[in-house]
Amino acid sequence: EDKVVQSPLSLVVHEGDTVTLNCSYEVTNFRSLLWYKQEKKAPTFLFMLTSSGIEKKSGRLSSILDKKELFSILNITATQTGDSAIYLCAGFFSGGYNKLIFGAGTRLAVHP
Amino acid sequence: SQTIHQWPATLVQPVGSPLSLECTVEGTSNPNLYWYRQAAGRGLQLLFYSVGIGQISSEVPQNLSASRPQDRQFILSSKKLLLSDSGFYLCAWKGGRRSYNEQFFGPGTRLTVL
Repeated sequence: EDKVVQSPLSLVVHEGDTVTLNCSYEVTNFRSLLWYKQEKKAPTFLFMLTSSGIEKKSGRLSSILDKKELFSILNITATQTGDSAIYLCAGFFSGGYNKLIFGAGTRLAVHP
Repeated sequence: SQTIHQWPATLVQPVGSPLSLECTVEGTSNPNLYWYRQAAGRGLQLLFYSVGIGQISSEVPQNLSASRPQDRQFILSSKKLLLSDSGFYLCAWKGGRRSYNEQFFGPGTRLTVL
């Protein structure tokens, strides 16, 4: 059965800390892995990773995929209170009408 | 640019009542459309997806149904709501077959069944 597992489920840090969020997957016919940030409402797209070992960066956020070990990490450096959100990881596989399989998410709280 | 709308934003319904949530997409044609449900503190569960008008696939057995009467309209319905139907319902779209894999989400509807 295809699944995506995120850890930790919840994390509390102070402003300025660096955090690493983990996502492991077992997805048949894997194509890519996506990260989303969800604040109060709809998830917003962060990254899509298709190739192993190539880091994607956007400001203080970065992410990398390891297709051999079947995991991805999302790093946030110098965290700010505005980074507080649920971070969702999803695996995309071909042959299934473009379905995403989501993990349960990591709830990050950044305290001042 | 593409936008996705959902309404209503919040809904409180009694058990046994019907439900209709609507999702529309602007600025694109032939999108793939999806309905997800998110229970409190949980990830997103895919409920239905559609690759075209009148084409609906269901992911999990439940008392909900979906319809796609127009290319950019996706409706989630129920004849009789259950307490367990409470949750945050998200509609998402993705470009057609040759587009990138990312899905874009609407603002969501928070449904409480009492």
